[in-house]
Amino acid sequence: SAVISQKPSRDICQRGTSLTIQCQVDSQVTMMFWYRQQPGQSLTLIATANQGSEATYESGFVIDKFPISRPNLTFSTLTVSNMSPEDSSIYLCSGAGGNTEAFFGQGTRLTVV
Amino acid sequence: SQQGEEDPQALSIQEGENATMNCSYKTSINNLQWYRQNSGRGLVHLILIRSNEREKHSGRLRVTLDTSKKSSSLLITASRAADTASYFCATSTGGGNKLTFGTGTQLKVEL
Repeated sequence: SAVISQKPSRDICQRGTSLTIQCQVDSQVTMMFWYRQQPGQSLTLIATANQGSEATYESGFVIDKFPISRPNLTFSTLTVSNMSPEDSSIYLCSGAGGNTEAFFGQGTRLTVV
Repeated sequence: SQQGEEDPQALSIQEGENATMNCSYKTSINNLQWYRQNSGRGLVHLILIRSNEREKHSGRLRVTLDTSKKSSSLLITASRAADTASYFCATSTGGGNKLTFGTGTQLKVEL
């Protein structure tokens, strides 16, 4: 299976600022996704990162708050914009083929103060 | 919204015992995957079972899928302290591999 390198692994940020999270996959993948895991909760899909075009966002998530880029088949970024304490979560990226396993980065633990 | 509901929410067993976790979902799926997460870190993929499969094994893990009941179970046999983690089921529907996660089960294996 592919390996995803995600960074930073953790950060503490001031409210009102933005943080960009990067994911690098060691092989080409068809699909890349971004998830959020709020404290003590399960994972919720934020969006599908589409190569060379705008990401597809799930209900409750918008591009202005979570802009996503995917310039090629192995790299994607998620920005958490204008952060507030409610954005404190673990953010995870995922890569997958078609009807095959999805694999995850190690996550970014974000704390907004 | 969360599609999968898992039970129990928490499970505490002694080392050597078996642990069973259950997952229910609401719509038709392409596949169902089980993941482990240690202390809020990244997810480790355990097993994928496709909608046309009923049972799969991997080492000490056994997964069943009942599409008529829209449910799956994960059995960990001869548990070890290192199995202590949160376990999530996740379903894939439609094209691609966009996952909807269950609520998770926190497993604690005590020595």
